[in-house]
Formats: sequence, structure tokens, C-alpha cells
Amino acid sequence: GAGVSQSPSNKVTEKGKDVELRCDPISGHTALYWYRQSLGQGLEFLIYFQGNSAPDKSGLPSDRFSAERTGGSVSTLTIQRTQQEDSAVYLCASSFSYLNTGELFFGEGSRLTVL
Amino acid sequence: DQQVKQNSPSLSVQEGRISILNCDYTNSMFDYFLWYKKYPAEGPTFLISISSIKDKNEDGRFTVFLNKSAKHLSLHIVPSQPGDSAVYFCAAASTGANSKLTFGKGITLSVRP
Repeated sequence: GAGVSQSPSNKVTEKGKDVELRCDPISGHTALYWYRQSLGQGLEFLIYFQGNSAPDKSGLPSDRFSAERTGGSVSTLTIQRTQQEDSAVYLCASSFSYLNTGELFFGEGSRLTVL
Repeated sequence: DQQVKQNSPSLSVQEGRISILNCDYTNSMFDYFLWYKKYPAEGPTFLISISSIKDKNEDGRFTVFLNKSAKHLSLHIVPSQPGDSAVYFCAAASTGANSKLTFGKGITLSVRP
């Protein structure tokens, strides 16, 4: 399809394991964002990319979280040594530009459950 | 420190009536505001936006009002339909460099048939 694609849609892991979440943005979108939604909370900003660079990483909760984007397209969010509080839906979005006067197009999210 | 606040977690209205969803913000640098709608197991989708140079923007059944002095915006849905039942997120941005959308916690709207 032509929308933002995320995988896996569901991931259950044990505490202490590493996980990788993937986002394939809409073709031609230069800006890519990661948000997460914990139970009962709003959408929490994590990081955004303009091309392959990440001008704003301010939302990453700890150094266990990292993200990269290669070729100005696919992005991977990595969580090392997962903790139970990392359980959330991780949402990826993309847009034509980083100025946010246009809409963000969201994927369906990756639901992460840390046991 | 929540910069975008949606203080009511839920709202229930009768089909055909008006739904009014409220949102408050604290950051005076915000100059662009958006509403997103989210159905279960789907990503949020853009609904309507408003720039701070306006106080009203209308799109069909949806109207967003902005009161800059009160740092308050609201989304009006008239008439409400059962298909409008979803979670509605208010979001705000400062359109300078490196801006990002800051979201509220969302309001769950239920429209009763």
C-alpha cells in the first residue's frame, strides 16, 4: 500500500531483551517521526528525522533507546534491555517537511509488551 | 510538564447533536494547531488544523475555534454521527525550525445512535 508501514504489529518480549521496530514511510516524505502511546497517555514524541539526520532526539526516554534512518527512507527504533515500562504502542509517522504545518501520516503502530 | 491538555477523558453525545471537544495549551510559542482522530488498532489520522492567524476554520461538519488569549481551542462536530466515535487528539506546534507536534492525551468520543 501507499501508507506508512510498521513492523512488527505486535511484539511480546521478556524483560532485558533487545527489540527492533521498523518503519517504512510514504515514498517521498523527507520527515519521519517516532511517537509512543503508553496506556492512558497521549502521544509522546520520541525522535524525528529530516532525511537521515535526527535534529531532535529530545524525546528518547533513556540511552537504551536509539533510532536510525538509512537512505532517507526506512527507520529502525531499537530498545535495548527492555523494561516493563517500555510497554506501549510505538507509532511512526511521516510528512513532506519538518515544519509541521502539514499533516503527519501515521502507521498503525507496533504494540510492544514487555513481560 | 504537559503543554497540551485535554482535561476531559471522555464525552458521550446523542446522534445528531453537537460534540464539543476542548483543548488547552500552555506554550505561547505554539502557532499551529491540529486535531487527529484515532480508531482502535489504527494510527491517528489528520482531521482539521488552524493557524494562529485565524480564530476559526471549518471543514464540513467539523469546525475548530482558537482563542489565543485564553490559550484554548475547541473542535465542534455538527451533527454528530455514530461513525465519529473515536479518540480525538489535539496537537500543537511552533512552526519554527525543528518543530514537532506536541499531543494531548486524547478524548474518547462516543456518539449514541
